[in-house]
Amino acid sequence: SQTIHQWPATLVQPVGSPLSLECTVEGTSNPNLYWYRQAAGRGLQLLFYSVGIGQISSEVPQNLSASRPQDRQFILSSKKLLLSDSGFYLCARTSGGYNEQFFGPGTRLTVL
Amino acid sequence: GQQLNQSPQSMFIQEGEDVSMNCTSSSIFNTWLWYKQEPGEGPVLLIALYKAGELTSNGRLTAQFGITRKDSFLNISASIPSDVGIYFCAGGSNSGYALNFGKGTSLLVTP
Repeated sequence: SQTIHQWPATLVQPVGSPLSLECTVEGTSNPNLYWYRQAAGRGLQLLFYSVGIGQISSEVPQNLSASRPQDRQFILSSKKLLLSDSGFYLCARTSGGYNEQFFGPGTRLTVL
Repeated sequence: GQQLNQSPQSMFIQEGEDVSMNCTSSSIFNTWLWYKQEPGEGPVLLIALYKAGELTSNGRLTAQFGITRKDSFLNISASIPSDVGIYFCAGGSNSGYALNFGKGTSLLVTP
C-alpha cells in the first residue's frame, strides 16, 4: 500500500528559530509531492510542489523553502520562523499521471 | 490558482437527514475531487470524477461532475454522527499537478 509519513506530528517553536519538516512516501516511485498549509482548520494553501528529485516549484513567495533530496522525501524548511508561519502543514502525493492527491497526517506547527 | 466557490460554508443537521453541497468555478476542470477532513487529520479522498456528467457513488455518498465541467456536487444520504467534518471540493486541470481547492463545508450532525 502507498503510505505518507510526516514528522514531527506537532511542533512548538520560538519566533526566529529554524524549521525542518519531513515528508516521506512509501509504495510508489517518482511521485509528485506537494506541501500545503492550512490555517484555522479551513482552506488549503499550496506552498510547493515537486515533480522529481531536485525540482521545486514555489506557489507562494515567503520565508519557507522546500527541497527534494530523494525520490520519496520532501522537506519543508525555514531559516527564521515568523508568527504567521503557524498552521497545519500537509504533505500530499500524486502518482501515475492522475490528479488524485493523497494526504499525509499533517504537522501542527505553533510559533510563539 | 483558480478559487472554487464552495457552498454552503457550514451545515448543522440532525442524524438521518440528507446533505447536499456544491462547488462552482469560472474555469473548466478535467477532474473533480471530494475530500473529507476530520479534526487534526489530513484530508481523505472520498470520490474522484473524471468525466463530464459522471455520477459516482461511494456508500451513502454520491457526487456528480457537472456537464459544463465548471461545477460538482456531493450528496450524503441518511447522515450519521461520524459524517462530521469538513468537506472540500477540488478541481484539477493538468494531470498530476496542482489542484484548486474550495474553502470547505463544515458539517455538524446531531444525534
